[in-house]
Amino acid sequence: GEDVEQSLFLSVREGDSSVINCTYTDSSSTYLYWYKQEPGAGLQLLTYIFSNMDMKQDQRLTVLLNKKDKHLSLRIADTQTGDSAIYFCAERVHKLIFGAGTRLAVHP
Amino acid sequence: DGGITQSPKYLFRKEGQNVTLSCEQNLNHDAMYWYRQDPGQGLRLIYYSQIVNDFQKGDIAEGYSVSREKKESFPLTVTSAQKNPTAFYLCASSGDAGANVLTFGAGSRLTVL
Repeated sequence: GEDVEQSLFLSVREGDSSVINCTYTDSSSTYLYWYKQEPGAGLQLLTYIFSNMDMKQDQRLTVLLNKKDKHLSLRIADTQTGDSAIYFCAERVHKLIFGAGTRLAVHP
Repeated sequence: DGGITQSPKYLFRKEGQNVTLSCEQNLNHDAMYWYRQDPGQGLRLIYYSQIVNDFQKGDIAEGYSVSREKKESFPLTVTSAQKNPTAFYLCASSGDAGANVLTFGAGSRLTVL
């Protein structure tokens, strides 16, 4: 079946790197996405990666895709307090499947 | 600026009442979606529409209804048949046939008293 799993919580110190992990089950995923949700708001797209790529970098964000292990990660370099939010991983097969979200807390 | 507008932001309803959530987009997107978000869970698809005057049920359509009479508008009605309607409702749209990135509204929080 289709399933996307993420750990629910991550706490990091300001200035450190954050790594948020995600596993998915459907190997026929075409695209995989990372969305960010701030409190009381909708989701905003951070980045996405096509399934034939293994890495994508965009400023402070690095996405790594391991298709063999069906593992996706999002690394945020130099994490700031403004990065505190819930981060959702999603895969597209014939529709979008979202994980439950990882709440990132950034402390001084 | 282009975007998606959801209203109202907060809504309180008594049990047994229907309520309609508004979703309007000016992005000229063909596809629109309604998701439900509950604490600690991923987003679950209620209904989606890929073109005007056509829509399909998602994973949790029971107790909900939609219409798509205009490209810009995709209202969601939460009926009294929905057993547990208290949730955060998110509307989204997409227009990119490739990566199919979703643009989300700010959400509507419905509380049943």
